[in-house]
Amino acid sequence: NAGVMQNPRHLVRRRGQEARLRCSPMKGHSHVYWYRQLPEEGLKFMVYLQKENIIDESGMPKERFSAEFPKEGPSILRIQQVVRGDSAAYFCASSDGTSHHEQYFGPGTRLTVT
Amino acid sequence: GQSLEQPSEVTAVEGAIVQINCTYQTSGFYGLSWYQQHDGGAPTFLSYNALDGLEETGRFSSFLSRSDSYGYLLLQELQMKDSASYFCAVPSGSARQLTFGSGTQLTVLP
Repeated sequence: NAGVMQNPRHLVRRRGQEARLRCSPMKGHSHVYWYRQLPEEGLKFMVYLQKENIIDESGMPKERFSAEFPKEGPSILRIQQVVRGDSAAYFCASSDGTSHHEQYFGPGTRLTVT
Repeated sequence: GQSLEQPSEVTAVEGAIVQINCTYQTSGFYGLSWYQQHDGGAPTFLSYNALDGLEETGRFSSFLSRSDSYGYLLLQELQMKDSASYFCAVPSGSARQLTFGSGTQLTVLP
């Protein structure tokens, strides 16, 4: 499967725990974007990364949230000390960097904080 | 900042034609994209208009008027499988990220 992969698909965490969401971009893509979606709402941009670099993190909360895209391995969105308001679907998308308007999305990770 | 407005719900019958409108306000405009999302699954890219006019891709067409800050997605010969949420989106942040509208839930009735 050469599409965007995300895991886990569902994640349940208690308040105060850490959540780690993984994303492997489409083969040949080195540009990764993370979005958050609340029920009945559109997707909200969080962060844009290229290999080993954060390019734009203007949509990411300043505290508890971090993202990385190492030279080897998937991109990881990390949420520390989760709160109930973090419950949402988190989508990863990738592109080849030449057409940012055409992004390929993964199936998402549904995070539930209890 | 960027903001996009689209109707929250549209209902149509199988075989009909439906138009989903989108108006936008942006600081810097590169083009208008449309995405489809079924039942909270992965959004899929449908079309992109950088210039004024109509772009046709099979049963789906997308239109843009830059002077009116307006676009629409036209779905013809509706099928039950077209029931989904449709989002307009604009590239922003130096055209690297997408800003999405709140989505239009299309329900196709038999």
